[in-house]
Amino acid sequence: SYELTQPPSVSVSPGQTARITCSGDDLPKKYCNWYQQKAGQAPVLVIYKDDERPSGIPERFSGSSSGTRGTLTISGVQAEDEADYYCQSADSSDTYVVFGGGTKLTVL
Amino acid sequence: QVQLQESGPGLVRPSETLSLTCTVTGGSISDYYWNWIRQSPGKGLEWLGYAYNNERDSYNPSLKSRVTMSLVTSTDQFSLRLTSVTAADTAVYFCARADLPGGEYDFWGPGTLVTVSS
Repeated sequence: SYELTQPPSVSVSPGQTARITCSGDDLPKKYCNWYQQKAGQAPVLVIYKDDERPSGIPERFSGSSSGTRGTLTISGVQAEDEADYYCQSADSSDTYVVFGGGTKLTVL
Repeated sequence: QVQLQESGPGLVRPSETLSLTCTVTGGSISDYYWNWIRQSPGKGLEWLGYAYNNERDSYNPSLKSRVTMSLVTSTDQFSLRLTSVTAADTAVYFCARADLPGGEYDFWGPGTLVTVSS
């Protein structure tokens, strides 16, 4: 079955840049979407179609994709960005949806 | 503004059937892909499947024989049935909307906790 791989955790100090990666064999052909999830809440879309930002999401959130890797970048990290982040995509036939295992972002 | 709300029993006995409903307000259920996603305690997100206009559906292969999803367009509701549940099915269940199969989820329900226990 198709899988997306994320690092379990990333730690940064306030004001620094956090980068969270997502690896998957079909990512060269499929978009990568990113969600932020805080404790006890539903996920929130922060990046879609690799690098598009929904309205209302701060400009410090950006996305990119190259080859089999998608990257979520948070510039000037703030304490409120501490959360779990998940990437999401689909298999090459759009039959199955898959989430990465999630990355816990800790703001030191 | 589109809003989604999951509803259903919070406790299901082992071997029985889990049934949940997602009610959509502020928009039509037609022409979108309606997904169920769950999250076991302390774990990541797991996609369960989607349904579209009662014309097309797709389910996670790990659950394929136990899961069914359907839309009721007259009431803008979306349902999930998961049969033969075990403790491993204990999770928060979310419904979410996408405009394409495998597309991004722009609207989510708040989630509902279902516990499988005798």
